Amino acid sequence: KAGVTQTPRYLIKTRGQQVTLSCSPISGHRSVSWYQQTPGQGLQFLFEYFSETQRNKGNFPGRFSGRQFSNSRSEMNVSTLELGDSALYLCASSLGWDQPQHFGDGTRLSIL
Amino acid sequence: KNEVEQSPQNLTAQEGEFITINCSYSVGISALHWLQQHPGGGIVSLFMLSSGKKKHGRLIATINIQEKHSSLHITASHPRDSAVYICAVGGRGAQKLVFGQGTRLTINP
Repeated sequence: KAGVTQTPRYLIKTRGQQVTLSCSPISGHRSVSWYQQTPGQGLQFLFEYFSETQRNKGNFPGRFSGRQFSNSRSEMNVSTLELGDSALYLCASSLGWDQPQHFGDGTRLSIL
Repeated sequence: KNEVEQSPQNLTAQEGEFITINCSYSVGISALHWLQQHPGGGIVSLFMLSSGKKKHGRLIATINIQEKHSSLHITASHPRDSAVYICAVGGRGAQKLVFGQGTRLTINP
């Protein structure tokens, strides 16, 4: 069974640009969560989607947005990139809120 | 004060030693997760527990809901156990996890 797939693995952008990251969950998993990991702040929750609906949102500015498609694949978008957005972005999928999460390998985003 | 506190932040031990990593939390939770992150970033879920104790191979996780405390134990530690171990808590009806700062474990041969 394929795991959680995130694309791209690495990305370099400049300030002011926007970026879209993709996450394909494990087949059958309808819950997809996104996290940001930085050396200073550690792991922080961005948002969670379940059956195409955003169910929870973390404390991030509106520049961070996401969506989930009918096949459970999810994308997150960051607009007007800032240097502080440089981070490892992780996606995780699960069968439901009371089930373990399975993480992808992440997308490492660098902002120049 | 962070909602989830781990100790120690760094731990170096010799191969074969018994390892304990602690996690304390201050919020109500429905489940606590122990995660392992190797260099390069990939995260593996080790345990998800809401009460008692779970065991998988050489790893054991316990939780005391009344004391809001969990421990992760590694028996007969091995250099391949070297990684960052992260405690995270989740509330009911949500996958919104709150994470500890992680414990960097190094096992020397």
